[in-house]
Amino acid sequence: ETGVTQSPTHLIKTRGQQVTLRCSSQSGHNTVSWYQQALGQGPQFIFQYYREEENGRGNFPPRFSGLQFPNYSSELNVNALELDDSALYLCASSRDRGLEAFFGQGTRLTVV
Amino acid sequence: AQRVTQPEKLLSVFKGAPVELKCNYSYSGSPELFWYVQYSRQRLQLLLRHISRESIKGFTADLNKGETSFHLKKPFAQEEDSAMYYCALTPSGAGSYQLTFGKGTKLSVIP
Repeated sequence: ETGVTQSPTHLIKTRGQQVTLRCSSQSGHNTVSWYQQALGQGPQFIFQYYREEENGRGNFPPRFSGLQFPNYSSELNVNALELDDSALYLCASSRDRGLEAFFGQGTRLTVV
Repeated sequence: AQRVTQPEKLLSVFKGAPVELKCNYSYSGSPELFWYVQYSRQRLQLLLRHISRESIKGFTADLNKGETSFHLKKPFAQEEDSAMYYCALTPSGAGSYQLTFGKGTKLSVIP
């Protein structure tokens, strides 16, 4: 059973650019959630995808968007990057929106 | 809206001493509560959830609805318990299972 993997591990972007982060869910999992973790803070929920449909969204602007593919992998896209978008982005997968979510190692995004 | 508060950013205890990591929550409905742990250079992982009433690695947590608390306890701290601990909440029965996390408490166990 493979775990949750995220790519890339680190990324540096310039303000105003766009970025795509990727997540492969754990084998057998059809639900993916994305979180943003700023320095010194707990993870903050961005949105969740279940069977390729958005299943809930946190308090993030529309420039944060996502996608889930038929193999249940997922992408997080952020447009018009701002300095405050610098954070660790975590992906978590679970089975049937289950409460036991398994996290990836995260992608560290730095916006300069 | 739900909120999770972990009042201590850092907690240092000696090996063998009891540990209590505090977690208070604010939510008008019936919540599901969790503790997540992140060891150095490892990913965030579930430690325990209140509905399972398990003891994991010697840790227990009791949901106190009157005090809206879910403190994590261990009678005798071990060096390997040093880690970042996050308390999290999700509304029970909701269609979206988003977790609301606290800011975390860093536990340091002194040998």
